[in-house]
Amino acid sequence: NAGVTQTPKFRVLKTGQSMTLLCAQDMNHEYMYWYRQDPGMGLRLIHYSVGEGTTAKGEVPDGYNVSRLKKQNFLLGLESAAPSQTSVYFCASSLGRTEKLFFGSGTQLSVL
Amino acid sequence: AQTVTQSQPEMSVQEAETVTLSCTYDTSESDYYLFWYKQPPSRQMILVIRQEAYKQQNATENRFSVNFQKAAKSFSLKISDSQLGDAAMYFCAYRRVYGGSQGNLIFGKGTKLSVKP
Repeated sequence: NAGVTQTPKFRVLKTGQSMTLLCAQDMNHEYMYWYRQDPGMGLRLIHYSVGEGTTAKGEVPDGYNVSRLKKQNFLLGLESAAPSQTSVYFCASSLGRTEKLFFGSGTQLSVL
Repeated sequence: AQTVTQSQPEMSVQEAETVTLSCTYDTSESDYYLFWYKQPPSRQMILVIRQEAYKQQNATENRFSVNFQKAAKSFSLKISDSQLGDAAMYFCAYRRVYGGSQGNLIFGKGTKLSVKP
């Protein structure tokens, strides 16, 4: 029972490069979220999804895109990475809007 | 908009002693959830305790308990008999029941807890 799995765990990009972070959950959860964690800022919501084929913007969506083509996967894309996107990214999922959130172990992204 | 404030960036406690971490929040909602999450150096976010706003009784999980003061919008975490493994960042978080970003957690900036042997 893997829970929420994020890949990759670490990545270094050059400014302007693109990449996709993958989040996979095996709990049949409807809700999925992408957060970023910056020092002294706590976690902030980037985008979220309430079901397959749906996505919505969170608090800090600029510079990111997401897709939820399959219920178990939630992808976070950076089309043109910027140093300001250096952060730790967390994916989370929950069965419903009031159910417990399960978190992945995070992805450390550095943009040079 | 809801906000969560943790006024103690760092705290320290002696092993086996008790420590209290503070959290205040701002909301106009009457029904919501409050959480404390622990984040050790491994980065994993671990749910410590959860409180439903409609419940007057303070939540307790083994050595962890909360002091929930709804009128004051205060939600502090008490750790009793502190252990070395309790050393971590602790985040207070708020979650709306209705509306908002569909169950999204709003986090405070965290408190770094050190435990001295």
